[in-house]
Amino acid sequence: EPEVTQTPSHQVTQMGQEVILRCVPISNHLYFYWYRQILGQKVEFLVSFYNNEISEKSEIFDDQFSVERPDGSNFTLKIRSTKLEDSAMYFCASSQGLGLRRNTIYFGEGSWLTVV
Amino acid sequence: GQNIDQPTEMTATEGAIVQINCTYQTSGFNGLFWYQQHAGEAPTFLSYNVLDGLEEKGRFSSFLSRSKGYSYLLLKELQMKDSASYLCAVRPASQGGKLIFGQGTELSVKP
Repeated sequence: EPEVTQTPSHQVTQMGQEVILRCVPISNHLYFYWYRQILGQKVEFLVSFYNNEISEKSEIFDDQFSVERPDGSNFTLKIRSTKLEDSAMYFCASSQGLGLRRNTIYFGEGSWLTVV
Repeated sequence: GQNIDQPTEMTATEGAIVQINCTYQTSGFNGLFWYQQHAGEAPTFLSYNVLDGLEEKGRFSSFLSRSKGYSYLLLKELQMKDSASYLCAVRPASQGGKLIFGQGTELSVKP
């Protein structure tokens, strides 16, 4: 079964450093997402991406964050100048579309980011 | 605001049936999803409801009442491997297709 793949699975970074998390969405999917989950808390929406541009973003997704689809397969999340509170599991996700039978969002295994 | 409520934790016995409830208040409604999440792993899709009524898929069923802002996930013939967190998520009216998640219900299945 096709799946969303993410790298790295774990990353430890120093406060103030930049981090890039990478994702390969399912190949025939058109909508891409990033979510995060701080340990013990709920899954939170960060950003959705369609047709090479951001279609929606949350209040969490401020100027520190950016997303990019640099080629036909990868989808990246960049976090500039990381803070301790950015420590979380970051999930990439994708869906075929938004219509009735194509809107299920499938999640990758996650990238666990620890900022020290 | 957007709010999704579900019980924090539940305990049930192997072989039994358990019902996990979810109530929601969102800006518009474009469907409700249930996901299963084992600790440290990704959420895995279980079910989707957009119309009122019951959707059945094997041992799992999900019910929706849009007028009441209410859903439940029903798990039958519980197995030990069903011990996990069950996440209720709503897609509000938005162009980006985002999901708003509840806190999750931690289900413990005991022998």
